[in-house]
Amino acid sequence: NAGVTQTPKFQVLKTGQSMTLQCAQDMNHEYMSWYRQDPGMGLRLIHYSVGAGITDQGEVPNGYNVSRSTTEDFPLRLLSAAPSQTSVYFCASSRDREQPQHFGDGTRLSIL
Amino acid sequence: GENVEQHPSTLSVQEGDSAVIKCTYSDSASNYFPWYKQELGKRPQLIIDIRSNVGEKKDQRIAVTLNKTAKHFSLHITETQPEDSAVYFCAASTRNTGKLIFGQGTTLQVKP
Repeated sequence: NAGVTQTPKFQVLKTGQSMTLQCAQDMNHEYMSWYRQDPGMGLRLIHYSVGAGITDQGEVPNGYNVSRSTTEDFPLRLLSAAPSQTSVYFCASSRDREQPQHFGDGTRLSIL
Repeated sequence: GENVEQHPSTLSVQEGDSAVIKCTYSDSASNYFPWYKQELGKRPQLIIDIRSNVGEKKDQRIAVTLNKTAKHFSLHITETQPEDSAVYFCAASTRNTGKLIFGQGTTLQVKP
């Protein structure tokens, strides 16, 4: 099992560009989530999904979209990148909402 | 919404001493409380978790205690070792929302 796979690992964007961060898991987990990690602010929940076809907003959803068309994939879309979105992004999955979350290796995103 | 406060933000101990990290949560419906360890440049990894029907859980040198009345929970590490040096995050979630909210993190330094 590969676990949770995030691509790309690094990305540099210009302000206003759009892009999609990919997240895939091969553990048949129902629960998936996206976090951003900034120095001194811990991990902040962006969006999460409790199953295919169901998504909901987390703490900091503005500027991001998600979809969950399959159990395996949970992409995160930046609609119009802003410097404030410079961060490390982690995707995580778990069997359900009260089980340990397995994190991917993260995507380091810089927006100029 | 749910809020999780974590203290202290930094903690320095001598090898062999104990370390305690405390978290408080705001939503009384929270029922799952995991702790994660993150080494520099790595993904967060679960080290221990506790559910609301249990007051204490122990795994070798690590223990977690939960006080539902006061809405706080703590991580205890005994006989600390240099390899315990990392950032530790607490988190809390509620079954009805499915959101897992993290504290701001504690940087633990264990001095040899």
